[in-house]
Amino acid sequence: AQRVTQPEKLLSVFKGAPVELKCNYSYSGSPELFWYVQYSRQRLQLLLRHISRESIKGFTADLNKGETSFHLKKPFAQEEDSAMYYCALSGSNYKLTFGKGTLLTVNP
Amino acid sequence: DADVTQTPRNRITKTGKRIMLECSQTKGHDRMYWYRQDPGLGLRLIYYSFDVKDINKGEISDGYSVSRQAQAKFSLSLESAIPNQTALYFCATSDREKLFFGSGTQLSVL
Repeated sequence: AQRVTQPEKLLSVFKGAPVELKCNYSYSGSPELFWYVQYSRQRLQLLLRHISRESIKGFTADLNKGETSFHLKKPFAQEEDSAMYYCALSGSNYKLTFGKGTLLTVNP
Repeated sequence: DADVTQTPRNRITKTGKRIMLECSQTKGHDRMYWYRQDPGLGLRLIYYSFDVKDINKGEISDGYSVSRQAQAKFSLSLESAIPNQTALYFCATSDREKLFFGSGTQLSVL
């Protein structure tokens, strides 16, 4: 079975502060991890995937297989980063399992 | 991004009614999915289809059925709607690298 855990339902930071959204996963094989973002009144969209090893909108995420984590980080949060963030895992069957999401609020 | 289109955008119905939510895509993807989103529960997979002849149950398929009428169309039906099926429903397609979501259908069952 594959499982994704996002321990924080809500996260609030001030503009310019670092932000880290936690994600832990459980999967017996070799997973592919993603972060999806949903801005207010918009559809979900891919933010980044671990295979790409890229930085999108200043966000990065490193897959740590030892800790089974894929935390999302940004050194300096911006107000426009306020959104719902979902961590997701794809196993060998290409079925995507989502975490319950973390609502990030960046205060001015 | 109108590549994945869901209709209707909003629907209010009564308990016991049959409801169909439709999804169409112009991306040419074989893989299509139906998720429901509930506050505090995230997105949960209802059904998925890897091609026209391949339909699979997700984690919460009870009370739902689907039809893959063509590569571009994937419909979700609630045979007899109940109030706890009130949720935001998302259709998605996949190119095997990422999901592309529709804008969602807000369904309320009274």
